[in-house]
Amino acid sequence: DAGITQSPRHKVTETGTPVTLRCHQTENHRYMYWYRQDPGHGLRLIHYSYGVKDTDKGEVSDGYSVSRSKTEDFLLTLESATSSQTSVYFCAISPGRGTSGTGDEQFFGPGTRLTVL
Amino acid sequence: AQKVTQAQTEISVVEKEDVTLDCVYETRDTTYYLFWYKQPPSGELVFLIRRNSFDEQNEISGRYSWNFQKSTSSFNFTITASQVVDSAVYFCALTLETGANNLFFGTGTRLTVIP
Repeated sequence: DAGITQSPRHKVTETGTPVTLRCHQTENHRYMYWYRQDPGHGLRLIHYSYGVKDTDKGEVSDGYSVSRSKTEDFLLTLESATSSQTSVYFCAISPGRGTSGTGDEQFFGPGTRLTVL
Repeated sequence: AQKVTQAQTEISVVEKEDVTLDCVYETRDTTYYLFWYKQPPSGELVFLIRRNSFDEQNEISGRYSWNFQKSTSSFNFTITASQVVDSAVYFCALTLETGANNLFFGTGTRLTVIP
């Protein structure tokens, strides 16, 4: 199994509070991703990173920010959590074998269940 | 725009039956990659297979097999002699050669294997 951990695994918070989720990998993979999983939607990309300090937006990035200061860590921050951000959040990594890293399989962390009351 | 459709929301089969999970995709790109992932009740996502758009060879891995047909834009997944441990949600996904390499997921098919 790919060495990916997410913390916390479960969190309950209140509307308007900031929340940071952490993804940590031990595989030294170049690409890291944050997805959210919601019923009826499958998984959707929030943000991704293609290297240290290199990040970009995904399909559902509004209300989220990310940071990657080290290869192994990718942080997802909800600046002011809303009830619509209640979801299961998955981090994923991929090696990025080619110059663009496209087409690689992605390996997923165990997920973080976030509830915003 | 890219889209993956898994029309079967839920399927139930009796143990040892064969079952096919359907996946239809849409893209205008000529180079793309298709994937299947398994999400068991424990919640993690397990990578099963990756296939690029230039390789239409069917693949078999134990009781699992995949049928990729570009003519119908389908990438179907068959489990032979299903077992209770196969009970899970299965996701089909697509990524492109260009762009962010993000996976476009279908909404998943929940498979229940009844003992």
